[in-house]
Amino acid sequence: KQEVTQIPAALSVPEGENLVLNCSFTDSAIYNLQWFRQDPGKGLTSLLLIQSSQREQTSGRLNASLDKSSGRSTLYIAASQPGDSATYLCAVLYGGSQGNLIFGKGTKLSVKP
Amino acid sequence: EAQVTQNPRYLITVTGKKLTVTCSQNMNHEYMSWYRQDPGLGLRQIYYSMNVEVTDKGDVPEGYKVSRKEKRNFPLILESPSPNQTSLYFCASRKQGSNTEAFFGQGTRLTVV
Repeated sequence: KQEVTQIPAALSVPEGENLVLNCSFTDSAIYNLQWFRQDPGKGLTSLLLIQSSQREQTSGRLNASLDKSSGRSTLYIAASQPGDSATYLCAVLYGGSQGNLIFGKGTKLSVKP
Repeated sequence: EAQVTQNPRYLITVTGKKLTVTCSQNMNHEYMSWYRQDPGLGLRQIYYSMNVEVTDKGDVPEGYKVSRKEKRNFPLILESPSPNQTSLYFCASRKQGSNTEAFFGQGTRLTVV
């Protein structure tokens, strides 16, 4: 069964810290991996899309990496701010999945001022 | 502005009363899908559509119907809602292809009493 796991489930850090969120997936035959941000009761905002042929993508203070052979992706957030507090979701589009994104359960991040 | 629009954002209804949640996208995307999000279970796909008049079941289709008569619209129909369909629902769209980004609506919070 194709699964996506995110560890830890929750993380609390002081403002200014650099941090890493982890995502692992069970099948290396992926098309792409997408990181989302979700604020409480709100929709999903796409942060970064990494295609299967790429190793990393960057957007501002965010950097996402992809290692298909080990089934892992990381989201690096530099110089964290209280406004970064949200739940971060990792989603994988597997080959042959008919477009069904498989989501991890997310990491709830809290950045303390 | 490129977006996926869902309506309503919040809905409280009674068991058995038919309802429709609308979803519209303005990006000319071929692929659209519906997810539900539940605590501890994450996001799960209900139905998807690869183009006009082409729909198929996702992982949790029981109790739901969809239609895709126009490319931009993909309504979710609950013919006879039950309390176990109380959830947060998301519509998503993306361009056909293996390396395209998924865009999500703001969500519909449904409560069935």
